[in-house]
Amino acid sequence: EVQLLESGGGLVQPGGSLRLSCAASGFTFSSHAMDWVRQAPGRGLEWISAISDTGGKTYYGDSVRGRFTISRDNSKTTVYLQMNSLRADDTAVYYCAKGGGAALTSWGQGTLVTVSS
Amino acid sequence: EIVMTQSPATLSVSPGERATLSCRASQSVSGNLAWYQQKPGQAPRLLMYDAFIRATGIPGRFSGSGSGTEFTLTISSLQSEDLAVYYCQQYTEWPLTFGGGTKVEIK
Repeated sequence: EVQLLESGGGLVQPGGSLRLSCAASGFTFSSHAMDWVRQAPGRGLEWISAISDTGGKTYYGDSVRGRFTISRDNSKTTVYLQMNSLRADDTAVYYCAKGGGAALTSWGQGTLVTVSS
Repeated sequence: EIVMTQSPATLSVSPGERATLSCRASQSVSGNLAWYQQKPGQAPRLLMYDAFIRATGIPGRFSGSGSGTEFTLTISSLQSEDLAVYYCQQYTEWPLTFGGGTKVEIK
């Protein structure tokens, strides 16, 4: 059974940084691209980033490009999202998903990031 | 980027009736279209991919159709557990984009 467990969310001040982690299990992690998707309170889904299976290719949405960095450690079966220069409109539940340029076949339960002073 | 537009925003359907949800793309996405179901307080779940293929474990009352710019998700006989928001998503090009969602209510 595929399991994705996000962690690292919390309250951060505007301009601050946070690193999210997503620990994966139940599949061959190194063979699959991974994504991050977020959902602001009461709003719809917004895809924000993806990384290829080897980590050699990364993709970003316009709203986070230049501020967020996606990475992965295949030896730890974990994907990360480094978030810098956080703004109030980055407040959202952040989901990790298995997919990468295709349908997102499995999702974690999400971690809440709140950007507020 | 490709803009995905879903309609209606809210759909109220009686149990046992058919529900038809629409998704339109601002340019052709071929068949690279997925549907997701998000129940209250839960993470999204993949329902359909490649426009018409049901994901593992999805009941047969869910079906998808369409190609190019026009897509439909049909729930043939609505059940109470189908109360959710449904999203379409294109994966033909980066950035991946979602529609705004259709909320299905039980009448």
